[in-house]
Amino acid sequence: KNQVEQSPQSLIILEGKNCTLQCNYTVSPFSNLRWYKQDTGRGPVSLTIMTFSENTKSNGRYTATLDADTKQSSLHITASQLSDSASYICVVSALGYAGGTSYGKLTFGQGTILTVHP
Amino acid sequence: DTAVSQTPKYLVTQMGNDKSIKCEQNLGHDTMYWYKQDSKKFLKIMFSYNNKELIINETVPNRFSPKSPDKAHLNLHINSLELGDSAVYFCASSHGMPATYGYTFGSGTRLTVV
Repeated sequence: KNQVEQSPQSLIILEGKNCTLQCNYTVSPFSNLRWYKQDTGRGPVSLTIMTFSENTKSNGRYTATLDADTKQSSLHITASQLSDSASYICVVSALGYAGGTSYGKLTFGQGTILTVHP
Repeated sequence: DTAVSQTPKYLVTQMGNDKSIKCEQNLGHDTMYWYKQDSKKFLKIMFSYNNKELIINETVPNRFSPKSPDKAHLNLHINSLELGDSAVYFCASSHGMPATYGYTFGSGTRLTVV
């Protein structure tokens, strides 16, 4: 069964500090892994997308890593800001096939709720 | 603005009613999805349409019926609403399947069944 587990469930940090969020997955066959940021009352917005061959990808203050051997990913946030307060969701895509078409079947983690305090 | 837009944003209704949620995207994407986010914040796919054709239909009660009049629209109709249907429903779109370039989500529709 495809699963994505994230830790911690919630995290509180002070503004300006760094933090790292973890994502472990058992998804096969692996296609790609995405990190999304979901602000309260909004839909998820993509931060990074990584394929099998990529180890690190950055998007501003966000840096994602992927270890395809251990099936682990992390999202590192540097110099946190108040606006970073949100839920961060790890999403892993597996290749599927239906109706004569290949597609990426997504498995979502439950998210890590990050709160940044001034 | 280019986006995925859903209406309504909030929907409160009584058990047994029939309701629809509309979704439109002007991104030129050819694939659209409906996701359900429960109280535990898990997002689960319900349906996926590629070029107006149903591709993914997860284990969802028959009371839920998606309708795609064209590539830019994917509406969700729910019959005989139940308390357990209360959740946030997200529409999303992507270019191609698999969505190599990512998904764009709408802002969600919070459905409350009382």
